[in-house]
Amino acid sequence: GENVEQHPSTLSVQEGDSAVIKCTYSDSASNYFPWYKQELGKGPQLIIDIRSNVGEKKDQRIAVTLNKTAKHFSLHITETQPEDSAVYFCAASKGGNAGNMLTFGGGTRLMVKP
Amino acid sequence: EAGVAQSPRYKIIEKRQSVAFWCNPISGHATLYWYQQILGQGPKLLIQFQNNGVVDDSQLPKDRFSAERLKGVDSTLKIQPAKLEDSAVYLCASSLRGYSNQPQHFGDGTRLSIL
Repeated sequence: GENVEQHPSTLSVQEGDSAVIKCTYSDSASNYFPWYKQELGKGPQLIIDIRSNVGEKKDQRIAVTLNKTAKHFSLHITETQPEDSAVYFCAASKGGNAGNMLTFGGGTRLMVKP
Repeated sequence: EAGVAQSPRYKIIEKRQSVAFWCNPISGHATLYWYQQILGQGPKLLIQFQNNGVVDDSQLPKDRFSAERLKGVDSTLKIQPAKLEDSAVYLCASSLRGYSNQPQHFGDGTRLSIL
C-alpha cells in the first residue's frame, strides 16, 4: 500500500520567515495530494491541494509543488505569522473507483515565534 | 454551510466496555469516512461509505469495531469491547463523492480515553 513520509517532524521559524515542509510517497499511482492544518483540539482543515496534472499551485501565502518523477511534494508558507503555528499533515490518494482513501504523513509541528 | 458534526467530543470508558460515536456529514455529501488518529500520528482510515454502502473497510478491526450508515446520511461507529490501544481521536470526514479526489472535510472528532 501507499506510504507517505513527512519531514521535518518539528519546525521553528521567526515571524516573517518562510517555512517548507516536504513529503515523499511510494505509490506512483497516487494522483491527489492535499495538505491539512490541525490546531489543538480541532479536526484537520484543508488548506491547499494539488493534482498530479499540475506542478505547482499557489494561494496567497501558501504554495505547493509536486515532482511526480521523484515522488515528492512540498508545502511552502511565506511571511509566516504566529497564527500559522499548528501541526501540518500531507496526504496522498489514488482516487478512482477504488475509493478516495487518504494516506497521511506523520505530521510537522510548526512553531512561529513572534 | 455547516461543517461535519460529531458527538460526543470526549468519552472516557474502562477497557472491555463499549462505546459509540455519531457523525453527521456536510449536507449533500455522499461519501463519509471514519479515521482513527493516535496521539502524535496522522489520521488512519478505518472505513469509507458511499451513500449507505461500504467502499473500503480493509483497515477496520472487525472483531471489535463496527460502523453503519443506514439512511446514507448520519453514521455511527461502535467499539465493543474497547482495548487500551483504542485510545485515540476518532475523526469523521465527508466529501461530495468518493472518487475523482473530491476534497475531504473533517469534523473536530471524539477524543476517546480508555482506563
